[in-house]
Amino acid sequence: QQQVKQSPQSLIVQKGGIPIINCAYENTAFDYFPWYQQFPGKGPALLIAIRPDVSEKKEGRFTISFNKSAKQFSLHIMDSQPGDSATYFCAASGKGFQKLVFGTGTRLLVSP
Amino acid sequence: DTAVSQTPKYLVTQMGNDKSIKCEQNLGHDTMYWYKQDSKKFLKIMFSYNNKELIINETVPNRFSPKSPDKAHLNLHINSLELGDSAVYFCASRRQGGTDTQYFGPGTRLTVL
Repeated sequence: QQQVKQSPQSLIVQKGGIPIINCAYENTAFDYFPWYQQFPGKGPALLIAIRPDVSEKKEGRFTISFNKSAKQFSLHIMDSQPGDSATYFCAASGKGFQKLVFGTGTRLLVSP
Repeated sequence: DTAVSQTPKYLVTQMGNDKSIKCEQNLGHDTMYWYKQDSKKFLKIMFSYNNKELIINETVPNRFSPKSPDKAHLNLHINSLELGDSAVYFCASRRQGGTDTQYFGPGTRLTVL
């Protein structure tokens, strides 16, 4: 119940495309859903996060869509750029949790 | 200005050796973590300390022993290193409360030969 399932494992899009990464969870106690971005040789860094009281959150070219009834959330990257090539992790947590539960990661390559 | 720092950046050692990785955060956070990232990029939590007290130990072998001398530091000591310990180890910190941002260090790439 503490798992967060992430797909796809890897993704290749052309510059300007809109990659979509999906995550699903089971534990209804989760109420915080962040996305982390990791570049090669660096530590993961928070990209954007959402709470279940809204269905969508945008920050620049990055959008999280959240479907509470389906227990799913996804990351969309608008007008993707080669500089967006990185590994993306979804995660979940909630009150009383002492940790983030991470998805398995998606390696995104944006070709020029 | 580095928020979470780790030393060393790279560590290459022989099987059976003992090694330590140090982590320091200057964010004033009271919770710190160690993660292991394997070659498939999967992030696996190992330990968490809150105010120097161990709160998470995710079935990590006894050869791994974290030590938190104060709230700003969480070191990881590994005894009798094995080939399977080769990975990138990340330290992270956050304020108390599960929904705050975790800040990760730059990682330590450990290679056991």
